[in-house]
Formats: sequence, C-alpha cells, structure tokens
Amino acid sequence: SQQGEEDPQALSIQEGENATMNCSYKTSINNLQWYRQNSGRGLVHLILIRSNEREKHSGRLRVTLDTSKKSSSLLITASRAADTASYFCATKTDSWGKLQFGAGTQVVVTP
Amino acid sequence: NAGVTQTPKFRVLKTGQSMTLLCAQDMNHEYMYWYRQDPGMGLRLIHYSVGEGTTAKGEVPDGYNVSRLKKQNFLLGLESAAPSQTSVYFCASSFQTENTEAFFGQGTRLTVV
Repeated sequence: SQQGEEDPQALSIQEGENATMNCSYKTSINNLQWYRQNSGRGLVHLILIRSNEREKHSGRLRVTLDTSKKSSSLLITASRAADTASYFCATKTDSWGKLQFGAGTQVVVTP
Repeated sequence: NAGVTQTPKFRVLKTGQSMTLLCAQDMNHEYMYWYRQDPGMGLRLIHYSVGEGTTAKGEVPDGYNVSRLKKQNFLLGLESAAPSQTSVYFCASSFQTENTEAFFGQGTRLTVV
C-alpha cells in the first residue's frame, strides 16, 4: 500500500507560472522528501523536511508540512520548461531509511 | 564520482529465465535499496540492506532475491522471470543518519515476454 498520495496527478502550466502539488500520507513520519524524475531517468532529491519543521525553502522551491493533517505541499515558483518532470513525495517512517513513495504528479511547463 | 550505477540499463527476458541486476555505489553508503516502478504506482520497495552481509524484505519481495556481499554492491536476482516482473527497477543508497536523502541510479528497464 502507498503511504503517500499526490494531488493532482497531472498539471499543465505556462512558463513563469507557479506550480503547486500536494501530498497526503497515512502514518506518522520522521521526515518527508520530494524527488523529481525526468522522463526515462532516475529520481533526484529536491528537498527534505523534518517532522518538526513546518516550512522549508530551497531556491524556487517551497515545501510545507502539516503533521496534524498528514499533508505536505511543494510549490515551484516562476516555472521553467526545464521543470517539466514527475514529482514524487516520499515519507520516511523508520530508522532504516526506507522511503514510501506516492504515485507522483506529472508537471508539464510549456514555453 | 559516479554515484549509483546500475547494470544493465535494458534487458528483455523470456518467461522462466533468470538474471541478476547489479547496483554499485561509490559514496560509502551503509543503506541500499531496490525499488520497482510501474505506471501509476510510484516506487515500491522490493528489498533493502542496512549493511554489508545484511538483507531484508520490503513491500513486494516475492520472486526476487538479493545479496550484499560487499558494501558497495547490491545485487537483485530474478530466479524465474514472470511477465508481472516487467518493470523499471531502481537502486538507491543512503547514509544511515536519520535525515538524509537517497541517491538513485538511472534505472533498469526489464521486459519479460
């Protein structure tokens, strides 16, 4: 069973617009991570937010975490065509580093 | 610095054949993982290892075996391939500290006919 579920499944925006995607999970977590996957490639880590953090920034990325609602959001500001990819949230729930992934949000940014 | 390298990148197997996927990491990571990715389902954990000589089952271990004889290598074996094992397989590794990210290989696209 999947721990995380992303919403929406797909998102199409124009360059310069902001992209927001959400992730909901089921059980308590140690941290939540967001990854990007370009077509046909491996996953690349974007940002990690710990369970005791509420918001984190990295460049054009902003991640929020609401543990009371078991949800997180990823905001990409001023999107570029190069941001076209699938984005996955992953939760870490134990000390062995195992990550549980959602099904992902496919983002298409058109010039 | 290669990071996580998977071999091979593509493979077509006939039902019943066996094969081994190799994962190698050069970052001295303690933890290593094998995931499979199927359309619309994200990544699911097959097996993982928390150190040389150790292995453990993940979410979908049936039909797979693994070995970690050396710290830098994690092998995934299919003894008798089935069409349901058609998937993209990803290896990942990480340090054992709690708040650290995983590093992924480029994937192996396996088709079982």
